Amino acid sequence: DAGITQSPRHKVTETGTPVTLRCHQTENHRYMYWYRQDPGHGLRLIHYSYGVKDTDKGEVSDGYSVSRSKTEDFLLTLESATSSQTSVYFCAISGYSNTGELFFGEGSRLTVL
Amino acid sequence: GESVGLHLPTLSVQEGDNSIINCAYSNSASDYFIWYKQESGKGPQFIIDIRSNMDKRQGQRVTVLLNKTVKHLSLQIAATQPGDSAVYFCAENSGYALNFGKGTSLLVTP
Repeated sequence: DAGITQSPRHKVTETGTPVTLRCHQTENHRYMYWYRQDPGHGLRLIHYSYGVKDTDKGEVSDGYSVSRSKTEDFLLTLESATSSQTSVYFCAISGYSNTGELFFGEGSRLTVL
Repeated sequence: GESVGLHLPTLSVQEGDNSIINCAYSNSASDYFIWYKQESGKGPQFIIDIRSNMDKRQGQRVTVLLNKTVKHLSLQIAATQPGDSAVYFCAENSGYALNFGKGTSLLVTP
């Protein structure tokens, strides 16, 4: 299995609180991604990174920010969580941009009450 | 907008039969396609991929077919087993990332 660790794996929080999800990789891959998965919507891209300090928005980036200060870590932050952000969040990594396999983490289940 | 979609949300097959999962895409500029399998409570796992310069690619018990004329992708699973029960996603490349379809749930019955 690809060396991807997501933390926390489960979190329950209240509306309006900040939340940070962490993705850590040991593969030294350049590209890292955050997706959210919701019933009826499949996997939707939130943000991605194509290098240290190089990030860009995906299709559902509103309400989320990211940071990548080291190759191995990609953080997803919800500045003020809302109930609509209740979801399962997946981190993925790739060495080849959009023409290669994505390796996914095990997911982080976030519940916003 | 451009999107990747699936023809059927659920598919039930008997153990030992062949399964076919279909996917339509609308971005004619896409040149890379990939299938993932997701078991309950886990992250998606790579099954097989195909580039647009190919029509067919085979793996172990799986075959992906690409029809660029009608923008259609299919995943064939031979001799379906109970362990094949999962949600299957197709995806196409878009910018720096992959754009995923909504998924098809495959249920294998004894």
